[in-house]
Amino acid sequence: DAKTTQPTSMDCAEGRAANLPCNHSTISGNEYVYWYRQIHSQGPQYIIHGLKNNETNEMASLIITEDRKSSTLILPHATLRDTAVYYCIVRGLYNTDKLIFGTGTRLQVFP
Amino acid sequence: GAVVSQHPSWVICKSGTSVKIECRSLDFQATTMFWYRQFPKQSLMLMATSNEGSKATYEQGVEKDKFLINHASLTLSTLTVTSAHPEDSSFYICSARSEREKLFFGSGTQLSVL
Repeated sequence: DAKTTQPTSMDCAEGRAANLPCNHSTISGNEYVYWYRQIHSQGPQYIIHGLKNNETNEMASLIITEDRKSSTLILPHATLRDTAVYYCIVRGLYNTDKLIFGTGTRLQVFP
Repeated sequence: GAVVSQHPSWVICKSGTSVKIECRSLDFQATTMFWYRQFPKQSLMLMATSNEGSKATYEQGVEKDKFLINHASLTLSTLTVTSAHPEDSSFYICSARSEREKLFFGSGTQLSVL
């Protein structure tokens, strides 16, 4: 079973920041938080991952709370092409550790 | 970034035939690959973990004799849907782990069984 809960859907105006929350209250100490997104009929695309520190890359920022029970993915300037389903996943680091997908958040960016 | 190639992108087959889907890691070696299935408007469901040089590990409820997985090399895993039926029609996606803890996904295969 997925270890995360996310809102079913969110809207965001183009050019504004999109903040996608995720709860993972049962995360264990050796599990990372991963974010992927899936545009219709394509394979999931890796966005970012982190353990306990905040992370930033060219796509997004990841803010993890101090107790690690929740996190927020931030798309600083959303575009129409960011419309997708966003998945928050917790996973260990071992080679065979699985990526179990929950229902994700359907983000709709509007003009 | 790392690339995972999946082929074919889509396939239509007759009921009772077998279909093979290939998943390749193009610029990295992957000792472990994962196979997922996705029905319309649903999330990805993990089917099995493919291990190079050994038997695949299947998730509960997934028939190993129907979904044959072969991981013969560090860059190739195949999923064969045997004796396909219309209920097997789905979007199949593979993923592979690079050495930087990231899992990359193929572009998926849309299977339609008539």
